[in-house]
Amino acid sequence: AQSVTQLGSHVSVSEGALVLLRCNYSSSVPPYLFWYVQYPNQGLQLLLKYTSAATLVKGINGFEAEFKKSETSFHLTKPSAHMSDAAEYFCAVSDTGGYNKLIFGAGTRLAVHP
Amino acid sequence: DTEVTQTPKHLVMGMTNKKSLKCEQHMGHRAMYWYKQKAKKPPELMFVYSYEKLSINESVPSRFSPECPNSSLLNLHLHALQPEDSALYLCASSQEQRATYEQYFGPGTRLTVT
Repeated sequence: AQSVTQLGSHVSVSEGALVLLRCNYSSSVPPYLFWYVQYPNQGLQLLLKYTSAATLVKGINGFEAEFKKSETSFHLTKPSAHMSDAAEYFCAVSDTGGYNKLIFGAGTRLAVHP
Repeated sequence: DTEVTQTPKHLVMGMTNKKSLKCEQHMGHRAMYWYKQKAKKPPELMFVYSYEKLSINESVPSRFSPECPNSSLLNLHLHALQPEDSALYLCASSQEQRATYEQYFGPGTRLTVT
């Protein structure tokens, strides 16, 4: 069964600093991986997705993620944090059994301080 | 346009009321989803419709009744809810119900059961 683990329920960075949000997955088959962002009182917005075309995936708002099979990781990064990046971030793996069930990690709350 | 709309934005209902949540997308997607999200938790899948037929019911209590009148619309009928059903209800859609396709989420309906 597929699963996702997000290391760190809270991450705090200074404005302009590197953002690194960690995600490790467990899957017996090549996974389809996603990062979503949720701003307060809003729905989830897709940041980027990995579907095996390229290991380095670029997303919206300057975010990118690198798929590392050897480490079973899909960490999300952004070179320079902005105050508007403060939100909840969810890593998810898609059930490859054909049902497109998204299996979410517990989420990481990113705080950005001046 | 990657927009999924949901109405109402907020809903307060008593335990004996009957109400409905509505979700709409005009992206030509053939899979639509209902999720429930409690505070500080990831979304939990409730139902999936594929080509207007119920594909997945994640053992959701019968007081929640989904309906897919056409390929663009998804409803969630609520009856005799409990206070613990208070949550953010999210609708999502994807091109098809396959793992490769990302899901697009609506802004959600914040439900409070009194």
